[in-house]
Amino acid sequence: GENVEQHPSTLSVQEGDSAVIKCTYSDSASNYFPWYKQELGKRPQLIIDIRSNVGEKKDQRIAVTLNKTAKHFSLHITETQPEDSAVYFCAAPSGSARQLTFGSGTQLTVLP
Amino acid sequence: EAQVTQNPRYLITVTGKKLTVTCSQNMNHEYMSWYRQDPGLGLRQIYYSMNVEVTDKGDVPEGYKVSRKEKRNFPLILESPSPNQTSLYFCASLEGGVAGGQNTGELFFGEGSRLTVL
Repeated sequence: GENVEQHPSTLSVQEGDSAVIKCTYSDSASNYFPWYKQELGKRPQLIIDIRSNVGEKKDQRIAVTLNKTAKHFSLHITETQPEDSAVYFCAAPSGSARQLTFGSGTQLTVLP
Repeated sequence: EAQVTQNPRYLITVTGKKLTVTCSQNMNHEYMSWYRQDPGLGLRQIYYSMNVEVTDKGDVPEGYKVSRKEKRNFPLILESPSPNQTSLYFCASLEGGVAGGQNTGELFFGEGSRLTVL
């Protein structure tokens, strides 16, 4: 099955700075990579995703990049704000089954 | 309103006492799944279902059962709960399709069920 590693586990940034979270995956057949945000006490929600036929996707202050050769993808948040504080999860599908494997999560804290 | 509803939201029980966590979605999604969330381990898939009467094991199925008799419902059953099943559980349904045999699209999660087994 898929193995997804996520780093760092915790990240603190000053408001206005950028944050980058990186994930690596093991299954070269994986073709879809979502990112979920979970605010404290809330459910995870999809914030952005990327498919394997593109290298980068942006949505306002967030972007995701994908390097299929190296089997890693990253979440970039620019101009961070306090409301960006949350746990972020990356995920990748198994190449042989309809499963989605999540990374272990990154606790992002944006300091005012 | 599109939603995934789980019950109960909070439960404290004792070892060996059978319990069921219900999950219902109103979006007519074919794919549903159960995850457990533990600190430092992220979200781990317990079971999933691609459609009515079709269920498959995820990464951590031991000690759990599921059923999918209707499209909207996907209950999680703990026949004999043990303390290592103390966790936060999420049900989810998938809005999207399949590409290359893999799920694509958004998982809609329920609000979570926090289970404590004493």
